[in-house]
Amino acid sequence: SAVISQKPSRDICQRGTSLTIQCQVDSQVTMMFWYRQQPGQSLTLIATANQGSEATYESGFVIDKFPISRPNLTFSTLTVSNMSPEDSSIYLCSGDPKGVNEQFFGPGTRLTVL
Amino acid sequence: RKEVEQDPGPFNVPEGATVAFNCTYSNSASQSFFWYRQDCRKEPKLLMSVYSSGNEDGRFTAQLNRASQYISLLIRDSKLSDSATYLCAVNIDMDTGRRALTFGSGTRLQVQP
Repeated sequence: SAVISQKPSRDICQRGTSLTIQCQVDSQVTMMFWYRQQPGQSLTLIATANQGSEATYESGFVIDKFPISRPNLTFSTLTVSNMSPEDSSIYLCSGDPKGVNEQFFGPGTRLTVL
Repeated sequence: RKEVEQDPGPFNVPEGATVAFNCTYSNSASQSFFWYRQDCRKEPKLLMSVYSSGNEDGRFTAQLNRASQYISLLIRDSKLSDSATYLCAVNIDMDTGRRALTFGSGTRLQVQP
């Protein structure tokens, strides 16, 4: 398995501001992903974070709103830009360790936008 | 039709009962299947992968039925600590090399004393 940490664990932000969430994995992973889980809902994939290149976004998510970086194999950031209350959610990163076809999740970042 | 569907429940069962959940998927080319457990306000934790031959881990048994396109999770001798939401996850686009998971909406289990 992989141990994944996220920072911050939670934040309360004002409308119009941006928040960057960090995700660190304790070992090299092939892929890293960012998901969103809104209250009472299941997980929705935002994008795949590609090492050294632009992220691959899912339908309904765009780079201007959710810029993602992945400078190396064990670290990624997700920025939620120009936030509105509709962005209030839990943001989770995940990764699949090399050679293992299983994904493990970080503890999530609980974001509240006022 | 959703790509991955689950009965949201809740399933309320007494301790010691056997309970089974199903999860259907729409893409017949799906290759990888998983069950995750999610406790309230926590991240999903991988419970088990689902192989073509099935998979058993203690009280938990997972099965794959490709013909009918569903996976199942059987929990025997339910414990209070099994109370959680169980999410099934499917890797849909294996042909493209994509490894991201598509999740069902989850089935909530409440084991009662």
